[in-house]
Amino acid sequence: EAAVTQSPRNKVAVTGGKVTLSCNQTNNHNNMYWYRQDTGHGLRLIHYSYGAGSTEKGDIPDGYKASRPSQENFSLILELATPSQTSVYFCASGNSNTEVFFGKGTRLTVV
Amino acid sequence: GDSVTQTEGQVALSEEDFLTIHCNYSASGYPALFWYVQYPGEGPQFLFRASRDKEKGSSRGFEATYDKGTTSFHLRKASVQESDSAVYYCALGDRDGGYKVVFGSGTRLLVSP
Repeated sequence: EAAVTQSPRNKVAVTGGKVTLSCNQTNNHNNMYWYRQDTGHGLRLIHYSYGAGSTEKGDIPDGYKASRPSQENFSLILELATPSQTSVYFCASGNSNTEVFFGKGTRLTVV
Repeated sequence: GDSVTQTEGQVALSEEDFLTIHCNYSASGYPALFWYVQYPGEGPQFLFRASRDKEKGSSRGFEATYDKGTTSFHLRKASVQESDSAVYYCALGDRDGGYKVVFGSGTRLLVSP
């Protein structure tokens, strides 16, 4: 069974603070993804990566950075968190032309 | 850029009704198409995929056919059950630097007994 683990599962952050969301996969997948999920918008792609050392901008990258230091790990970084970034964030992994596997999500609240 | 459009935000049916959820896509290449299902408190789960024109994907009684001419991949099920209540996402995967996977806005299915 493909495994994608996100941490933390819940996070409350202060406006202007730095937030790092972590994701680990043990599937040896090449590709990893960060999405945010908001009512009415579905899943929107923030950043993705096709291997260690690579990061690509998705459809809504503004205000977010990503880091892929290894095949297993992919982080999402909010350097200056804002209330508009309050959302549920999902990490996923997969190989090209096949399905992706999702983590359980991180609920982020920026106050 | 690549995009997926789901026109129905919510669909309300009774058990044994026929289901159709519409999905249209826009892509510069020849994408693979997917359906995912999400239950409360969980991440989306893969339902099935199709990767070429006229190919039919199916799982758990759900099915969809890749139609390159109409750029569509509509989800259908002949007889829904209360347990099918969930949010359904259409998605596409395409090479864009790496391999980009883009989702639609989702359709909430509510099935009453």
